[in-house]
Amino acid sequence: SSELTQDPAVSVALGQTVKITCQGDSLRTYYASWYQQRPGQAPLLVIYGKNNRPSGIPDRFSGSNSGNTASLTITGAQANDEGDYYCNSRDTSANHWVFGGGTKLTVL
Amino acid sequence: EVQLLESGGGLVQPGGSLRLSCAASGFTFNTYAMSWVRQAPGKGLEWVSTISGSGGDIYYADSVRGRLTISRDNSKNTLFVQMNSLRVEDTAVYYCAKLTRVFGDSWKFDSWGQGTRVTVSS
Repeated sequence: SSELTQDPAVSVALGQTVKITCQGDSLRTYYASWYQQRPGQAPLLVIYGKNNRPSGIPDRFSGSNSGNTASLTITGAQANDEGDYYCNSRDTSANHWVFGGGTKLTVL
Repeated sequence: EVQLLESGGGLVQPGGSLRLSCAASGFTFNTYAMSWVRQAPGKGLEWVSTISGSGGDIYYADSVRGRLTISRDNSKNTLFVQMNSLRVEDTAVYYCAKLTRVFGDSWKFDSWGQGTRVTVSS
């Protein structure tokens, strides 16, 4: 089955822009979806499809795709954006879904 | 408002069994695929299993195939997973999630429950 690779940790200064990336063969076929998880909470969908935000997600969150890489960009990071971010897509080789290992975002 | 409420978690010995439930409300349950996703302590998210809206299509992660059985009762808007032959490595918070097809064959887990904790230990 395919894998999705994410950097384990990223940091950003308050108010600055940060990009979190996700790499995998399945991303050549399927769009990624992105999830934010704060400590002790359930995951929350923040980006899906080409670049779509669910209702209630601030427009500082955006997504992009190129080749085998999907990216989540936070423009003007806020303190409450801290948490773990996971990408996900369907697996091309089987009827599976796969999550990336997660990226821990720290806002300095 | 979509609500997903898991129950049934607890402490079980290795080799034991447990049945988790997820009560759904706020959407037309039988028209959506549903999934179980788990998270071991201090680890990332792991997709476990998905069942289509009708229940006719079922998928499992290799790590649980043959030991976990997903099912649903559309008359009661409830998702289940029967977990047998449990292992220490099955210890995790188990989330149920509503799975929606986006376009083409891309998907999103657009609603999640708060999770139920399963601990497998002697």
